[in-house]
Amino acid sequence: GENVEQHPSTLSVQEGDSAVIKCTYSDSASNYFPWYKQELGKRPQLIIDIRSNVGEKKDQRIAVTLNKTAKHFSLHITETQPEDSAVYFCAASPLTQGAQKLVFGQGTRLTINP
Amino acid sequence: SQTIHQWPVTLVQPVGSPLSLECTVEGTSNPNLYWYRQAAGRGLQLLFYSVGIGQISSEVPQNLSASRPQDRQFILSSKKLLLSDSGFYLCAWRDIRRGRETQYFGPGTRLLVL
Repeated sequence: GENVEQHPSTLSVQEGDSAVIKCTYSDSASNYFPWYKQELGKRPQLIIDIRSNVGEKKDQRIAVTLNKTAKHFSLHITETQPEDSAVYFCAASPLTQGAQKLVFGQGTRLTINP
Repeated sequence: SQTIHQWPVTLVQPVGSPLSLECTVEGTSNPNLYWYRQAAGRGLQLLFYSVGIGQISSEVPQNLSASRPQDRQFILSSKKLLLSDSGFYLCAWRDIRRGRETQYFGPGTRLLVL
């Protein structure tokens, strides 16, 4: 089955700097890769996702890149702000009309220092 | 628009007691439904998923069970709770229509077993 490794487990950056979180996956059949943000005590919320037919996707200060050959994908946050502090999870799954089973990474706790 | 509800919000139960957590989704039909558990400071572990009424798939053998008595209702149960069952229980739903891969999480139930 799929296995997703996420690094680093904790990340601290200065406000205004960029943050990068990296994930690797094992199953070449995976072709859907979402990223979720979880604030303390809250539910995970989707911030961006990418499908394997594209290599990069941007949404304002957030971008995700995908390298299918190397089986890794990354989240990039530019011009970080204090409200970006949270735990971020990557996930992977095959696109399917049946039951989609997301496999999550272990999470990265991002702290933005003012 | 779609809404997902979970209750109770928090629960403190003694070891050996039964458990019933409920999840309901509004504004969609025939969704895929999921139960996840998140231990304190940890990642998301998929427990059960369902593609339809009465159809339950288990991911991790344990003392928990799930049922889907109605299209938009998903229940997580246990006959006898263990200390290790403590955690944040998240229900999620997914639209099965093509191009709608996102899983949306409910607000969660925080369970403490003493």
